Amino acid sequence: EPEVTQTPSHQVTQMGQEVILRCVPISNHLYFYWYRQILGQKVEFLVSFYNNEISEKSEIFDDQFSVERPDGSNFTLKIRSTKLEDSAMYFCASSEMGASEQYFGPGTRLTVT
Amino acid sequence: QKEVEQNSGPLSVPEGAIASLNCTYSDRGSQSFFWYRQYSGKSPELIMSIYSNGDKEDGRFTAQLNKASQYVSLLIRDSQPSDSATYLCAVAIGANNLFFGTGTRLTVIP
Repeated sequence: EPEVTQTPSHQVTQMGQEVILRCVPISNHLYFYWYRQILGQKVEFLVSFYNNEISEKSEIFDDQFSVERPDGSNFTLKIRSTKLEDSAMYFCASSEMGASEQYFGPGTRLTVT
Repeated sequence: QKEVEQNSGPLSVPEGAIASLNCTYSDRGSQSFFWYRQYSGKSPELIMSIYSNGDKEDGRFTAQLNKASQYVSLLIRDSQPSDSATYLCAVAIGANNLFFGTGTRLTVIP
């Protein structure tokens, strides 16, 4: 069964460093998403991406964040200058269509020290 | 402000019983509704989607939607210990993003 994959599973970085989180969405899906979940809190939407551009973003997704689809399979989230409060699980998801069922990857645990 | 509310629990039911999980949402423009299961330390796993008023059944799971009351629920029949997890209600508002509730922790007691 097709699934969303994410790498790395765990990333430790120092405050102020740049990180890139990688995702491979399900191959026939057209919509891609990033969510985050701070420990003990709810899953929060960051950004959605369709047709090689951002379609929606939340207030969390400020100028420190960017997304890219560098090739036909990968979808990345970059945080330019990490802060302690960026420590969270980051989930990538994909769906065939907008507002349809989204399937989540296993997540990347980001720890900023 | 878009809100998705769930009782955080914990909800404990004996094995074989019916577990009933509830969710309310604030935005009347919501179009799509989803239930996810999340085991501790894992990612959300899609269980059910529902788009129109009424009931939708899939195996031991039944999702119920009442848009007039802004209410969606999930029933789990014949609950098993492996059903013990946090159940997340998610609502799609507009095209592309999901708003999640805080989740209800379910414990099924053998």
